[in-house]
Amino acid sequence: DAKTTQPPSMDCAEGRAANLPCNHSTISGNEYVYWYRQIHSQGPQYIIHGLKNNETNEMASLIITEDRKSSTLILPHATLRDTAVYYCIVRVYNNAGNMLTFGGGTRLMVKP
Amino acid sequence: EAGVTQSPTHLIKTRGQQATLRCSPISGHTSVYWYQQALGLGLQFLLWYDEGEERNRGNFPPRFSGRQFPNYSSELNVNALELEDSALYLCASSPGTDTQYFGPGTRLTVL
Repeated sequence: DAKTTQPPSMDCAEGRAANLPCNHSTISGNEYVYWYRQIHSQGPQYIIHGLKNNETNEMASLIITEDRKSSTLILPHATLRDTAVYYCIVRVYNNAGNMLTFGGGTRLMVKP
Repeated sequence: EAGVTQSPTHLIKTRGQQATLRCSPISGHTSVYWYQQALGLGLQFLLWYDEGEERNRGNFPPRFSGRQFPNYSSELNVNALELEDSALYLCASSPGTDTQYFGPGTRLTVL
């Protein structure tokens, strides 16, 4: 799976949009972009994923650049409960090994 | 819909003992993954089970083993516990090779 690069930390004011960037310049055509988050000492929570098109669900929006070398996760109205470490992962579906590899992630701090 | 469940929440053992951790996947999910997350470290892949078979394992010694039952639930066994086995053990399930959903984890402490 391709490597991803994320800023180690970000701050966001409560109620504002949080925009979390991710670089994945070596992504291949059949790799999906996944986002998870982990609140302290809890299991990672799936947020959203996409291949080429922008995606939106009840939690967030995922914007993928046309060349697919980077993406942005958008939390439209951040709350204090969104404080967590956010992980961007690229992976391909296959039968050889579907393990997830989490890098350092971005520690998002939502402040009042 | 119920999520992935794990038991126990916390487990305290001493060196040399054995630990058994359990995982129940989301209904309809046939794949179960086990990960270890030691303090300050990222997720380390342990084992992947699908349809009752071990499909892949990570770079862990043989004293880490497990199995998947006909109802797709799974257990992870760790023999001859060492201090460095202290970690959060996470189980994830997926319908085949699709998106993985994680449970809350079991915190294992080895004294």
